[in-house]
Amino acid sequence: QVQLVESRGGVVQPGRSLRLSCAASGFTFSDYVMHWVRQAPGKGLEWVAIIWHDGTNKYYLDSVKGRFTISRDNANSTLYLQMSSLRAEDTAVYYCARGRPRGIAARPLDYWGLGALVSVSS
Amino acid sequence: DIVLTQSPDSLALSLGERATISCKSSQSVLYSSNNKNYLAWYQQKPGQPPKLLIYWASTRESGVPDRFSGSGSGTDFTLTISSLQAEDVAVYYCLQYYSTPWTFGQGTKVEIK
Repeated sequence: QVQLVESRGGVVQPGRSLRLSCAASGFTFSDYVMHWVRQAPGKGLEWVAIIWHDGTNKYYLDSVKGRFTISRDNANSTLYLQMSSLRAEDTAVYYCARGRPRGIAARPLDYWGLGALVSVSS
Repeated sequence: DIVLTQSPDSLALSLGERATISCKSSQSVLYSSNNKNYLAWYQQKPGQPPKLLIYWASTRESGVPDRFSGSGSGTDFTLTISSLQAEDVAVYYCLQYYSTPWTFGQGTKVEIK
C-alpha cells in the first residue's frame, strides 16, 4: 500500500535552516509528481511546492520562493524540502503528498503523509 | 493567483440531513481542451491528513461513500453530503489544480447539531 512518511520536524530559531524528508513506498516513486503542503496550527491548508517526476521542473508558493528548495532522490524514493531563512510564519505541519503520474495531464493530491510539525521560535 | 472562497465557514446539521458546501473561484478552472474542471474536494478530521473525496469536480475517489457528491463548472462548485453521518464531522476543503500556485478554500467545518 502507498505510504509517505515524513521525517520529524522540530523547533528552529528564526533565520535558521531545516531539511524535511519524505520516504515513499508502495508505488513507483519516480513515476509521480510530488508536492509539499503545509498547515499552520488551527488554520487551513496551503500548497508550498511541486516537483516533476524527474526533478526537471519545480514551482513554489511566492512567500517561500528563494528560501525553500524542493528536491528528490528517485533511487531512494525520497522527497526533500530544504527550508532556509525560516520565519515565525513558516510554523506549520508540513505534509508531503503524491500528485499525478507520468503521462497524465493532471490529478490532485491523492495520498498524504501524516505530517511533520516545524515550529519557528526563539 | 486563483482565490477559492467557501461558504459557509461552518454548519451544524442533524444526523440524516443534507449538507451543502459552496466553493467559488476567482477565475474559471475549466480547461477547454479537455472540458474538465480542475477542482477537488478534501475531508480532514482532527489530527489526520486530508483525504481526497472528489476530483474533476464530480468524480468520486475510489472507496468514498456515495452520499458524497460534487457538482458545478467554471467558477461555482458544490459538495453535497446527502445524509449526514456522525463520521462525516470534519473540515472540508476545495482545491484548484488548474494553475500554480495551487490554492485551497479556507475550509468549512461540519458538525452535528
